[in-house]
Amino acid sequence: DTEVTQTPKHLVMGMTNKKSLKCEQHMGHRAMYWYKQKAKKPPELMFVYSYEKLSINESVPSRFSPECPNSSLLNLHLHALQPEDSALYLCASSQDSQVILFFGSGTQLSVL
Amino acid sequence: QQQVKQSPQSLIVQKGGISIINCAYENTAFDYFPWYQQFPGKGPALLIAIRPDVSEKKEGRFTISFNKSAKQFSLHIMDSQPGDSATYFCAASRRAGGYQKVTFGTGTKLQVIP
Repeated sequence: DTEVTQTPKHLVMGMTNKKSLKCEQHMGHRAMYWYKQKAKKPPELMFVYSYEKLSINESVPSRFSPECPNSSLLNLHLHALQPEDSALYLCASSQDSQVILFFGSGTQLSVL
Repeated sequence: QQQVKQSPQSLIVQKGGISIINCAYENTAFDYFPWYQQFPGKGPALLIAIRPDVSEKKEGRFTISFNKSAKQFSLHIMDSQPGDSATYFCAASRRAGGYQKVTFGTGTKLQVIP
């Protein structure tokens, strides 16, 4: 299994809603990432978990809250988002011995 | 110093032609230079990658040329096909404590016309 699975594929939420994005991989990768991608832009790193510990938080607003319950799962909890947070949210994973990022297909988020 | 500059921003090539995308980096600490291909509605996927001690790598129709002294690398797509129409991101990465620190280029939208 060489897939990173993200759910849901699409999400529409209001500014007062609370929602969560989920990511799962069964490749045994010990690093997992959240990226944000705006249209026609490269992916922008938000968070990195390495061995289930938060290693990087790229000064992301607290309305985004990551969680890594175990080595296969990564969540991104969303609360009180702004319309400018509308984007494609990508999860990725990598193994320490490799230099490849494996990306999921993303969650297309629209904040109304 | 973390930038990776990529050009052109967009590229239109006829079927069977050669597509060329160029990138330049500044930080010599990078130790891996991948190219990612992204189709609409999908996440990026690794296309081909090279280490800085190699000057060229070829996989099928895709070739990376790497010039370490100039800090430049490029992707050549030979015999370009309509199915190659996608956005291409060059990247530069280095290992950092169990994960990859990746800096992406700005992207090139390639359109291959029949």
